[in-house]
Amino acid sequence: GDSVTQMEGPVTLSEEAFLTINCTYTATGYPSLFWYVQYPGEGLQLLLKATKADDKGSNKGFEATYRKETTSFHLEKGSVQVSDSAVYFCALSDRGGADGLTFGKGTHLIIQP
Amino acid sequence: DTAVSQTPKYLVTQMGNDKSIKCEQNLGHDTMYWYKQDSKKFLKIMFSYNNKELIINETVPNRFSPKSPDKAHLNLHINSLELGDSAVYFCASSQSGTGPLGTQYFGPGTRLLVL
Repeated sequence: GDSVTQMEGPVTLSEEAFLTINCTYTATGYPSLFWYVQYPGEGLQLLLKATKADDKGSNKGFEATYRKETTSFHLEKGSVQVSDSAVYFCALSDRGGADGLTFGKGTHLIIQP
Repeated sequence: DTAVSQTPKYLVTQMGNDKSIKCEQNLGHDTMYWYKQDSKKFLKIMFSYNNKELIINETVPNRFSPKSPDKAHLNLHINSLELGDSAVYFCASSQSGTGPLGTQYFGPGTRLLVL
């Protein structure tokens, strides 16, 4: 079946540091890929997405590129802020979402001032 | 103008009780979902439902049942609540199809605590 593997945290960085959160996937079809973010005590918000190979999703300074050859969708940001502290989930949608999203286990990011 | 809403936000109840969580979406989507997030933050699909098909994750106990009065609503009914049902339950919706259409939008979650 489908699966998503992402680095487990917590990941602790200083403000203005460069961020990479790794995500790799296995899927039977040709999935769409997503990053969701969950701030403390809140629900899931879509951060960015990519629906085909070599697509780059971007939002709020975050970027991720759909790499079919390495089955990866790593999340990056050039300069993190304290307000970026949250849990980040990599996810895939196969079969048009009929089976729901398959999530990674989430990466807890802590940014220190 | 909330896109996906859930009620209640918090639910504290005793073991053995029956409870329902409500979900509504105003995005005009045709597919809705329920997810469970455990204490370690792991998210797992429970159900996906549109007017044609209900897909049930085989690991979900039959004490859990989705009920959809119309396309904009998908409620979750839970019978005989157990301690292990304590979790955060998220509703989501999307428009069926592949690519960008498959993007799911989530509600704020319902935090269920079974005592």
